[in-house]
Amino acid sequence: QKEVEQNSGPLSVPEGAIASLNCTYSDRVSQSFFWYRQYSGKSPELIMSIYSNGDKEDGRFTAQLNKASQYVSLLIRDSQPSDSATYLCAVSGNDMRFGAGTRLTVKP
Amino acid sequence: DGGITQSPKYLFRKEGQNVTLSCEQNLNHDAMYWYRQDPGQGLRLIYYSQIVNDFQKGDIAEGYSVSREKKESFPLTVTSAQKNPTAFYLCASSPQGTTSGGTDTQYFGPGTRLTVL
Repeated sequence: QKEVEQNSGPLSVPEGAIASLNCTYSDRVSQSFFWYRQYSGKSPELIMSIYSNGDKEDGRFTAQLNKASQYVSLLIRDSQPSDSATYLCAVSGNDMRFGAGTRLTVKP
Repeated sequence: DGGITQSPKYLFRKEGQNVTLSCEQNLNHDAMYWYRQDPGQGLRLIYYSQIVNDFQKGDIAEGYSVSREKKESFPLTVTSAQKNPTAFYLCASSPQGTTSGGTDTQYFGPGTRLTVL
């Protein structure tokens, strides 16, 4: 079983819609959770971090964490074509583990 | 202008050759990391260092070596023992490494794309 699992996609949404990206993890002692955006050929860029159960909003992005279900998600509201990228989920405990990423395409 | 720099952006290696990838940061971060990214796979940790003159192996250290002589610098050498080195190499740093609160937020450099000829 992979330590951090994401649906590889591609996930395709129309411009203006809500994109929902999901991530599950296996290590129950995980303490911090991160979402990175990676454009093709570029390095990952941190967009959100979340540490406690519930929702955390930052602009058009909302991260949701449920430690009991070992589940973290990222919602992107009013999706734009510039949001088209691969989104990496990262889970931190004694070390940082990354998922393989979900490729998102936002169609104009 | 603070950040993490990696050089070169592209690197080509011949069979049997050692090559060194540079990573420098001026963020005054204590910890630095090297990852490898292959298509369709997550980032895999090669080596990390939480303080100067100390480093630890990650999940895939075989065929790689590092040094941490200065806080700002963490070069990675890909040796001839690494049989499949073609990949995208990412250097990252974090203010602290792993503490009782978990592993600190990591920030990435622009990456080096290594190709074996």
